[in-house]
Amino acid sequence: GENVEQHPSTLSVQEGDSAVIKCTYSDSASNYFPWYKQELGKRPQLIIDIRSNVGEKKDQRIAVTLNKTAKHFSLHITETQPEDSAVYFCAANTGFQKLVFGTGTRLLVSP
Amino acid sequence: DAGITQSPRHKVTETGTPVTLRCHQTENHRYMYWYRQDPGHGLRLIHYSYGVKDTDKGEVSDGYSVSRSKTEDFLLTLESATSSQTSVYFCAISLAGREDTQYFGPGTRLTVL
Repeated sequence: GENVEQHPSTLSVQEGDSAVIKCTYSDSASNYFPWYKQELGKRPQLIIDIRSNVGEKKDQRIAVTLNKTAKHFSLHITETQPEDSAVYFCAANTGFQKLVFGTGTRLLVSP
Repeated sequence: DAGITQSPRHKVTETGTPVTLRCHQTENHRYMYWYRQDPGHGLRLIHYSYGVKDTDKGEVSDGYSVSRSKTEDFLLTLESATSSQTSVYFCAISLAGREDTQYFGPGTRLTVL
């Protein structure tokens, strides 16, 4: 079955810097890759997603890139702000309307 | 929030007791999911449902059962709770026409002593 690996597990940046979180997947049949943000004590919230027919997608300060050949995708956050501090999860679809999640990246943005 | 509620939001119970968690949705979504979240493991799928009375196992289904007798409710039961089932449990739904996109409920924090 699908396996999703996520790196790094923790990431500390200064406010205004960029942050990059990387995920790899194993199942070449996966074609949908969402990213979730989870603040402390809250539910995971979908922030951006990408399908395998495109290589990049942007939404204001966040972007996701996908390399199908290498089976990896990345989340890019530019001009980070303290409110970007959270745990971020990547995921890949598998089988019948299911998602497999990475183990999460704790992002800390220091003022 | 895609009209999802979970109850209870917090529960403390003792080893060996049965526990049922409820996920309720108000928007007639067909697909519903139960996950558990533990440090270092991310979100892991326990069971999912693709319609009334249609359910299937996820990757960590041992010790859990589910039922879906009506569209709006998806119940997760721990027949005999163990300390290893202490976790945060999230329900999720996916939207018609975008069935691979999932939205999460607020979660239930379960502690088994």
